[in-house]
Amino acid sequence: DGGITQSPKYLFRKEGQNVTLSCEQNLNHDAMYWYRQDPGQGLRLIYYSQIVNDFQKGDIAEGYSVSREKKESFPLTVTSAQKNPTAFYLCASSPFVNSYEQYFGPGTRLTVT
Amino acid sequence: AQTVTQSQPEMSVQEAETVTLSCTYDTSESDYYLFWYKQPPSRQMILVIRQEAYKQQNATENRFSVNFQKAAKSFSLKISDSQLGDAAMYFCAYRSVSSNTGKLIFGQGTTLQVKP
Repeated sequence: DGGITQSPKYLFRKEGQNVTLSCEQNLNHDAMYWYRQDPGQGLRLIYYSQIVNDFQKGDIAEGYSVSREKKESFPLTVTSAQKNPTAFYLCASSPFVNSYEQYFGPGTRLTVT
Repeated sequence: AQTVTQSQPEMSVQEAETVTLSCTYDTSESDYYLFWYKQPPSRQMILVIRQEAYKQQNATENRFSVNFQKAAKSFSLKISDSQLGDAAMYFCAYRSVSSNTGKLIFGQGTTLQVKP
């Protein structure tokens, strides 16, 4: 089946540790996105990538890093510099950056204590 | 900068009844897309309906329809014949046509409860 997978569904880390969230898609989409969701707020864009080996900061990129070495993969690293990392993280993709529709993965709930 | 506002944090509807979720947005652009996404308890985001700003006709997808008022910058979602499976959080989202990021701008969400 074509789609977007994110793993793990739940992730727990101690404060001060970096953690990497996985996002894989087999839709052959060029563009990929990372959003953060907090209670009472809508999704906010962290990073996006239009094509392999290229990525750009979104609205809340501080404390996060990404890579796009393969078309199907767009991992997000939450670094110790991120002040409030506990949140729900959603990965999305679209055929290309100007596509009107984005397809979302199931998300990863990160809890940092 | 564009903003999206959903002023109803929670709504409830009786099964088989109709409910309308409100959304307003602010933009200086004339061409854009508006979306309603559904996030059920599984937290998977599902696209419900899409509206292109240049189209005057309101979009409809089965039991879901929108009331798009461009001048008023209003984009409400009507759910007819509500079903238990419609219970979810609903997000209104905006996307600029001219954007080179593809970024979606989301409202805060409305939690819909469906009562049997």
